[in-house]
Amino acid sequence: RKEVEQDPGPFNVPEGATVAFNCTYSNSASQSFFWYRQDCRKEPKLLMSVYSSGNEDGRFTAQLNRASQYISLLIRDSKLSDSATYLCVVNEDSNYQLIWGAGTKLIIKP
Amino acid sequence: EAQVTQNPRYLITVTGKKLTVTCSQNMNHEYMSWYRQDPGLGLRQIYYSMNVEVTDKGDVPEGYKVSRKEKRNFPLILESPSPNQTSLYFCASSLTGQTNYNEQFFGPGTRLTVL
Repeated sequence: RKEVEQDPGPFNVPEGATVAFNCTYSNSASQSFFWYRQDCRKEPKLLMSVYSSGNEDGRFTAQLNRASQYISLLIRDSKLSDSATYLCVVNEDSNYQLIWGAGTKLIIKP
Repeated sequence: EAQVTQNPRYLITVTGKKLTVTCSQNMNHEYMSWYRQDPGLGLRQIYYSMNVEVTDKGDVPEGYKVSRKEKRNFPLILESPSPNQTSLYFCASSLTGQTNYNEQFFGPGTRLTVL
């Protein structure tokens, strides 16, 4: 059974704090990994891809741990505008399908 | 402006009354897909299309039909809607079907309620 699991949260975090959350996947053959962001009642939008060596985009850092089959997203110096649901997405190359996690809700408080 | 559009955005209907949700993209993308999103569940793929006249079932195709007669359009058809199809529906497109490389662009969503 293919699965992508996320802690649904919500994570309530004060502005300026650092927050991190993980996503686990069940298929060890998974090839590609992404984080999408979804604002309330809006469509998902790509936040960043996750590369094997880890990658950073401004305040956001994504990492992949193949041995333990999880990816992580770290947000530094969190802003009010970071409040959203973060969706973990895994690609299983064999069938061009993306497997989506249910999302982790993040609330940044002033 | 590059975008994916869906219509209608909101729809309340009754069991058994056929409906179509339209999806159109202006980015000349080959790959298009329909998802449904339900509370506590991830996006689940209904159908996808690798190109014109090429469609395939996703994870939850029962009760849905699609067609891809033109590259830009990918309508979702519910021949006989039932209450368990009440959901938030998203259409998405990407340059090609190689989802490991290509960003998915989503439409704004269609909130469907079947009474």
